[in-house]
Amino acid sequence: DQQVKQNSPSLSVQEGRISILNCDYTNSMFDYFLWYKKYPAEGPTFLISISSIKDKNEDGRFTVFLNKSAKHLSLHIVPSQPGDSAVYFCAASRTGTASKLTFGTGTRLQVTL
Amino acid sequence: SQTIHQWPATLVQPVGSPLSLECTVEGTSNPNLYWYRQAAGRGLQLLFYSVGIGQISSEVPQNLSASRPQDRQFILSSKKLLLSDSGFYLCAWSGGGYNSPLHFGNGTRLTVT
Repeated sequence: DQQVKQNSPSLSVQEGRISILNCDYTNSMFDYFLWYKKYPAEGPTFLISISSIKDKNEDGRFTVFLNKSAKHLSLHIVPSQPGDSAVYFCAASRTGTASKLTFGTGTRLQVTL
Repeated sequence: SQTIHQWPATLVQPVGSPLSLECTVEGTSNPNLYWYRQAAGRGLQLLFYSVGIGQISSEVPQNLSASRPQDRQFILSSKKLLLSDSGFYLCAWSGGGYNSPLHFGNGTRLTVT
């Protein structure tokens, strides 16, 4: 049972344009959401997070939007850069569960010149 | 600053052989520690987590075990590897505070032949 879903396995975007990565979840108990970025042969690195009390969190070129009623979150990267090419994982957890994250299957972003 | 070390980076082991993967964290005390696995084409799956020395919680039934002999050391083991144990194993730590993000090591690519 996949509680966190990333339905697009890959995405290609031109440099300078906006990249939008999507994530859906089914467990209504999740109240904290994170995005991780992963390069080949490396561990994922934390990118940005959002609590369920917010609907938007911004950090430089990265913005995460949360729609609780739709159980949907998205990561916007503006403008996209070639160095953003990586696999992006969406993750979710419940407060008080020792940061045990449930991950999606990832979306591979390719930023082209 | 905090760092996490995980080794080896790659490992090829025959079916039925034992396994020991080690992870250590520096620069923090009493971290929460985690072992995740990424199988081919799958998301990251939580295998074990630990909130203190000797305290291990298993998330999924499997052929693996974990131990935490010291505060900042986490070990993943198996007595007899199966082909299905192949995958990318990641150790992670968190500060244990409210919704602390996970910080991952660079992972171990295990191939069971």
